[in-house]
Order: sequence, then C-alpha cells, then structure tokens
Amino acid sequence: GQQVMQIPQYQHVQEGEDFTTYCNSSTTLSNIQWYKQRPGGHPVFLIQLVKSGEVKKQKRLTFQFGEAKKNSSLHITATQTTDVGTYFCGRSTLTFGKGTMLLVSP
Amino acid sequence: KAGVTQTPRYLIKTRGQQVTLSCSPISGHRSVSWYQQTPGQGLQFLFEYFSETQRNKGNFPGRFSGRQFSNSRSEMNVSTLELGDSALYLCASSLGQGGSSNQPQHFGDGTRLSIL
Repeated sequence: GQQVMQIPQYQHVQEGEDFTTYCNSSTTLSNIQWYKQRPGGHPVFLIQLVKSGEVKKQKRLTFQFGEAKKNSSLHITATQTTDVGTYFCGRSTLTFGKGTMLLVSP
Repeated sequence: KAGVTQTPRYLIKTRGQQVTLSCSPISGHRSVSWYQQTPGQGLQFLFEYFSETQRNKGNFPGRFSGRQFSNSRSEMNVSTLELGDSALYLCASSLGQGGSSNQPQHFGDGTRLSIL
C-alpha cells in the first residue's frame, strides 16, 4: 500500500536554530497535509498542499510540495520553545508518516 | 462550535475483555476516522466511516470493529483485548469523505487504553 516516510524521527535543536522535516512517498500523492501534536495533546491540522511545486508559508513555517508530488517538507525558521511537538505529514485519512519529534532547548 | 469529543478519556482493562470507545464528531461533519497511536509507530489508520458506511479499513485484525450512527457519532469496539492493544485511540472528523477528499481532519483528545 501507499507509504509515507518521514525523516528525521527525532531532532533536538537550540532555540533560534532552524529545523526541517521531510516527507517522502513511494507513489504520487494527490495532496499532503501537515499536522502538529504537542506533548500530551492531539494532532492539529496545520496546512494542506495540493499543487505540484506548491510553497506555503505560515509565519516562521514554510511548507513545500515537490514537483513530482512524492515529497514534501516543513521548514521552521528560528525555532522557539513553542514549536516543541511531533509533526506529522499525511495524505488525507489513510496514510500518515510516523512523525518527527522536535525538541527545542532554550 | 464544539470540537470532537471522545469518551472515555482513560480506560483500564484486562486481557481478554472487550471495550467500546465513543466519538462525537464536530456538528456537520459526516466522516469519522479512527487511529491507534503508540510510541514510535505514529498514527496507524484503523477505519473510516462516512454516512454510516465503512469506506476504508486499515491493516488491523478483525477484533477491531466500528460503526457509525445516523447522527454521525461513531463507536469503536475491540474484542479479546491483548497487551499490545494498549495505546491512545484517536478519532478524527472531517466534512467530506476523508479518504478521497481534501478536507482537513479534526482530532479529539483520544482515549488512553491500558491493558493489564
């Protein structure tokens, strides 16, 4: 079946450093969704990308969808302690990556 | 607008028992999906219901079942519980049929199930 792989599984950064997580699919994706789950919380929808090569920004977060629609990335500029959590990518309902856990030290 | 409500929040069972978890979606949402979340395994899709019909099913044994009612509320049942079923069970609702729509999913706080 369709699989979505996320790397890295875990990253620990100092506050102010940048962070990037990557999402790769074995097949072409119709869309890609990104979610954030804070420790002890539930996943919260961040954004959806649909078009090939699409780039969307939310303040310090930049989301990209690859030209072939098989990969995506989330880049956080100048991380803050509020960015702590696990970031998941997925295709609608069925397929989520295992997530990237981000820890930010002050 | 009330969010997705899951009950109970915590549950302790023993091996061999069965359990039923409940999910009330956001008003107006007709699609409900269930996920199992364990450390290191991410979100594993269980099944999705839309208009009282199961539309998609993940790779879980038949001990895991679900249903959706006419008011879109959904229940998930796990029979003959095993130690490995200990997990956070999350329910998510969306406007359209999640598997083939572009609608974002709205998650509940989950039910933490512990098997002794």
